[in-house]
Amino acid sequence: EAGVAQSPRYKIIEKRQSVAFWCNPISGHATLYWYQQILGQGPKLLIQFQNNGVVDDSQLPKDRFSAERLKGVDSTLKIQPAKLEDSAVYLCASSLVGGLITDTQYFGPGTRLTVL
Amino acid sequence: AQTVTQSQPEMSVQEAETVTLSCTYDTSESDYYLFWYKQPPSRQMILVIRQEAYKQQNATENRFSVNFQKAAKSFSLKISDSQLGDAAMYFCAYRANFGNEKLTFGTGTRLTIIP
Repeated sequence: EAGVAQSPRYKIIEKRQSVAFWCNPISGHATLYWYQQILGQGPKLLIQFQNNGVVDDSQLPKDRFSAERLKGVDSTLKIQPAKLEDSAVYLCASSLVGGLITDTQYFGPGTRLTVL
Repeated sequence: AQTVTQSQPEMSVQEAETVTLSCTYDTSESDYYLFWYKQPPSRQMILVIRQEAYKQQNATENRFSVNFQKAAKSFSLKISDSQLGDAAMYFCAYRANFGNEKLTFGTGTRLTIIP
């Protein structure tokens, strides 16, 4: 079974530029999560999708971050314009159903973003 | 709000020895789950072990076991017979048993295995 795929693995941009990350969850997984992991910290949830609907985006900086999950499969996370403090690893995770405490979240390899 | 604290930024252990990583958390809920995730240099988070708060018995997975003290809100991970492949960042995480499935993570402990 293929795992969660993310691209690119690395991205370096100048501040005020735009960037987009892509995530393809495990086939059949209804729930998709985007986490931000700043160096030296644990991951923090940015947004959670159930199929193509948003369940939780309370910690997403909506003035510059946006995310979509068209057709309830893969997802893109965009930052526009980027700030220095957005430098982090962006992790995508998926789970089979969502809403079940026994539902394990499977993580992708992440995208390391550096904003100069 | 729930918080998870890992007070050991770094730990090291001799290969084949046993090491314990500490985690404390704060919540007003009585029903929740706790997790330990491993993050090797490849950055992929891997679930190591999970504990249901309503279960008194501590979870075990091969060489990995936990010491769950609900009253003290403590959740430590014991790694027995440490192997070189155990070297990684270890994150403790909390999830409430209601609402959405958001994981709240600690700041991590970097484990080094000494050959």
